[in-house]
Amino acid sequence: AQTVTQSQPEMSVQEAETVTLSCTYDTSESDYYLFWYKQPPSRQMILVIRQEAYKQQNATENRFSVNFQKAAKSFSLKISDSQLGDAAMYFCAYSFQGGATNKLIFGTGTLLAVQP
Amino acid sequence: GAVVSQHPSRVICKSGTSVKIECRSLDFQATTMFWYRQFPKQSLMLMATSNEGSKATYEQGVEKDKFLINHASLTLSTLTVTSAHPEDSSFYICSASRDRGHEKLFFGSGTQLSVL
Repeated sequence: AQTVTQSQPEMSVQEAETVTLSCTYDTSESDYYLFWYKQPPSRQMILVIRQEAYKQQNATENRFSVNFQKAAKSFSLKISDSQLGDAAMYFCAYSFQGGATNKLIFGTGTLLAVQP
Repeated sequence: GAVVSQHPSRVICKSGTSVKIECRSLDFQATTMFWYRQFPKQSLMLMATSNEGSKATYEQGVEKDKFLINHASLTLSTLTVTSAHPEDSSFYICSASRDRGHEKLFFGSGTQLSVL
């Protein structure tokens, strides 16, 4: 069974600094997708970034980038120039490409605090 | 972007009553919808996957007679919590996808259920 692990329950970063959130996963599949979702206090799930496993190039979205290490099954999220609005719970998620459905398996989450 | 509407956002009910939560895709046809449950400060746990016109697929440990899921049309899925008890109190979130593709899932804003 696929599992997603986030070993950092809480993280803190100073405004304008950079922070990296860790995620590891376990799967025997070769084709899959990885995601980072943000859940602010409103609890609305917001997609931050997505990575296809077959792509070697790390995904980037403005201040957000990932370090995808397929062999190590590691998928960390780097937030540059942190802003107060980045404070939220961040979930790493996995989706198997070849499955009957594209269901997401979520990690336990990392609560990010941004200090002014 | 695609919008998923979830209603109600908050519901309080008495123990023993049933509660229905609706999840609608407003501007696209959702072939698949997912229902998640989230306890405070915890991750999203997949409860079931529903495909339009067929029975829902429940995750292990989820009582299908307690959590009734109906996906009668391509734009609407409902989750009914039957004979609710205080332990059913939780945050319930739906998500929808156009197809089995992995572009992304679109999430509803969630429903906070409190059973007295």
